[in-house]
Amino acid sequence: DTEVTQTPKHLVMGMTNKKSLKCEQHMGHRAMYWYKQKAKKPPELMFVYSYEKLSINESVPSRFSPECPNSSLLNLHLHALQPEDSALYLCASSREGGETQYFGPGTRLLVL
Amino acid sequence: DAKTTQPTSMDCAEGRAANLPCNHSTISGNEYVYWYRQIHSQGPQYIIHGLKNNETNEMASLIITEDRKSSTLILPHATLRDTAVYYCIALRAGANNLFFGTGTRLTVIP
Repeated sequence: DTEVTQTPKHLVMGMTNKKSLKCEQHMGHRAMYWYKQKAKKPPELMFVYSYEKLSINESVPSRFSPECPNSSLLNLHLHALQPEDSALYLCASSREGGETQYFGPGTRLLVL
Repeated sequence: DAKTTQPTSMDCAEGRAANLPCNHSTISGNEYVYWYRQIHSQGPQYIIHGLKNNETNEMASLIITEDRKSSTLILPHATLRDTAVYYCIALRAGANNLFFGTGTRLTVIP
């Protein structure tokens, strides 16, 4: 299984809502990543988890809260988002870090 | 990690080889050259990577110049499904912070 799955595929939320994005992989990878991609722009790294510990936070606002409950799962909790946070949120994983990253299909988020 | 420069867009006729250039003139000795692509509305997909030797896999070939200041990704027989944005990334060994530049939008024309 070389797949990274992400749920939901699409999400619409209001600025006062709390929602979560979920990412799962069963490749035994120990590094997992969240990226944000605005329309017509390249993906931008948000967070890196290595062995279930947060190792990189690219100065992401606190309204985005990542969580890695176990080595297969990565969540991104969303609270009090702004319309400019509307984007494609991509999850990726790699064996340990520093190797090939495998990406999921993304969650397309719209904040109203 | 070194910055990379790629043309904004390229066209290629279906069935012909697509040669995508990348400039990485400030690359350091321990930085690999990685190529990913992103087909519309999908997540990025790894293609190939190399350090200084040329590399080939089932998807593509990677040619790195001897001075390592530039490289070329070759898709030997482009198909319509190869239409995508192709990203060339220089990444230090052991690093995991992929920096995607603007990439090259390749359009394969029937």
